[in-house]
Amino acid sequence: GAVVSQHPSRVICKSGTSVKIECRSLDFQATTMFWYRQFPKKSLMLMATSNEGSKATYEQGVEKDKFLINHASLTLSTLTVTSAHPEDSSFYICSAKRGPGEKLFFGSGTQLSVL
Amino acid sequence: SQQGEEDPQALSIQEGENATMNCSYKTSINNLQWYRQNSGRGLVHLILIRSNEREKHSGRLRVTLDTSKKSSSLLITASRAADTASYFCATDAPQAGTALIFGKGTTLSVSS
Repeated sequence: GAVVSQHPSRVICKSGTSVKIECRSLDFQATTMFWYRQFPKKSLMLMATSNEGSKATYEQGVEKDKFLINHASLTLSTLTVTSAHPEDSSFYICSAKRGPGEKLFFGSGTQLSVL
Repeated sequence: SQQGEEDPQALSIQEGENATMNCSYKTSINNLQWYRQNSGRGLVHLILIRSNEREKHSGRLRVTLDTSKKSSSLLITASRAADTASYFCATDAPQAGTALIFGKGTTLSVSS
């Protein structure tokens, strides 16, 4: 089956630094990838839709300059949390579909802890 | 934004009992999916039911979909301690390129 790889799985950083999270579709091309955020004991909240070769579409309330998304190829999307603060600490999960109406394949997630 | 509302939010049962979780949603869908998540881990896809389907089975899982009521249920039969996890429904809109929208989830605890 299709696999989505997400890296790193865990990162601890100091406040003010930037952190990049990578999401790769390993055996299919994904023109669209999705980034979710999950707080402890809460559900997944869609942050943005990453479109290959064009700008990402952000959900209401998500800061574009804070969460930079780059979808430079059909198999790679990156999320950069810029100038991270403790309130950015969360579980970030990427996902991709092989095609319309297909199930979403999820990465294993990145636990970000900002000190 | 969140589409679905799961009911109940938390469920505690004994091994061997059945667990039923319900999900309601608001907009039209292409399909509805159920996922499982162990604490602090990634998501595991359980089952997908399309909008023209009413019921689907997979092992000990049974999913129903009522598009007229915009609701779905997930039944886990003969539960095991290993079924302890959070369960989420997620809806897939008909429009191409749209993300799954997740419900708030049900936390299931199965005690042995």
